[in-house]
Amino acid sequence: DAGVTQSPTHLIKTRGQQVTLRCSPKSGHDTVSWYQQALGQGPQFIFQYYEEEERQRGNFPDRFSGHQFPNYSSELNVNALLLGDSALYLCASSLGGTSGNTIYFGEGSWLTVV
Amino acid sequence: GENVGLHLPTLSVQEGDNSIINCAYSNSASDYFIWYKQESGKGPQFIIDIRSNMDKRQGQRVTVLLNKTVKHLSLQIAATQPGDSAVYFCAENEYGNKLVFGAGTILRVKS
Repeated sequence: DAGVTQSPTHLIKTRGQQVTLRCSPKSGHDTVSWYQQALGQGPQFIFQYYEEEERQRGNFPDRFSGHQFPNYSSELNVNALLLGDSALYLCASSLGGTSGNTIYFGEGSWLTVV
Repeated sequence: GENVGLHLPTLSVQEGDNSIINCAYSNSASDYFIWYKQESGKGPQFIIDIRSNMDKRQGQRVTVLLNKTVKHLSLQIAATQPGDSAVYFCAENEYGNKLVFGAGTILRVKS
């Protein structure tokens, strides 16, 4: 049973560029959430996708956008990259999007903006 | 659910001792809580969860205690091993599986 998989694992971008990160949820899960984790801090919620729609959003600017595909996989896009966007981006999957279902995380994508 | 900066609290324990990691949460309406373990360079790994209608739950070598009166969670690890060294986060489920994470605690196990 495959867990949550993310790609790429590491990448370096230049300020002003755009990046796309990808996530495949755990088998049988239909809800994908994205988190940003800066060095030395806990993960912060960016947004959540369920049934191909953004269902909840945290305090992140519109430069952060996403998409969920019919197979439940998801992408996170960040436009006009800033140095402060350097972080570990985590994908989390769960079933049904209701409280109380176990949430599993992938290993993350390390983004460095130079 | 505020995260603090780079200086995470650290708990140092001797191998074989029991560890207790504490966490305060912010939203009295949160109904589901999870403890995660995060090793360097990896994503958070699920350890144990508890719903708000319980005050204690046990797993393999781990126990979570929930005190809703003071909005406090604790994670107890029995017979701590070197492989338990990591950063531990508590997370509260505010609504629809949106997690708010605590500040994190570094656990160091001395052999």
